[in-house]
Amino acid sequence: AQKVTQAQTEISVVEKEDVTLDCVYETRDTTYYLFWYKQPPSGELVFLIRRNSFDEQNEISGRYSWNFQKSTSSFNFTITASQVVDSAVYFCALRKSQGGSEKLVFGKGTKLTVNP
Amino acid sequence: ETGVTQSPTHLIKTRGQQVTLRCSSQSGHNTVSWYQQALGQGPQFIFQYYREEENGRGNFPPRFSGLQFPNYSSELNVNALELDDSALYLCASSLGSSGNTIYFGEGSWLTVV
Repeated sequence: AQKVTQAQTEISVVEKEDVTLDCVYETRDTTYYLFWYKQPPSGELVFLIRRNSFDEQNEISGRYSWNFQKSTSSFNFTITASQVVDSAVYFCALRKSQGGSEKLVFGKGTKLTVNP
Repeated sequence: ETGVTQSPTHLIKTRGQQVTLRCSSQSGHNTVSWYQQALGQGPQFIFQYYREEENGRGNFPPRFSGLQFPNYSSELNVNALELDDSALYLCASSLGSSGNTIYFGEGSWLTVV
């Protein structure tokens, strides 16, 4: 079975703090893709990153960084020097092949609140 | 701005009615998927269309149906609405192959009363 677990339901930090959002996944596939999306109150899911299972290099994009570790089936997301605009719900997702289709299996999300 | 547009943005329906939600995919994207997101939950896969054919379906009853048109835009139809159908419905588009990024629209907020 394919599953994504985001154990942190809600996190609250003060601006400029660093924060890490955890994501643990389960899959039997040898090739798979992992994603992070940001969902502000407006509802749109904003794509942040895609990572395939063959690439375990950590990635940094500005204040965002991702730590992918196959040994622990984790794909954690860190925001450095958080800002109020980072407040949103963040989803980790695993892309699953099902018959001829490709679907995303999402975690339940982590609601991040950054206070001024 | 993902290039995926959905309409309407918000709507209210009465239990038992039918609803049609619309989606225009990002230019060049031939695959459209629909997701239902209940309050406080992650999105759940409803179905996917590729070149006008449904090629995958999640755990949703047949009263959830869809269409994809030659220009790759899509509709989600829900018949005999139930209160539990109240949710955010998200459309996503991608370019068919495995691993390509999936882009989402802003969603349609459906309230069933």
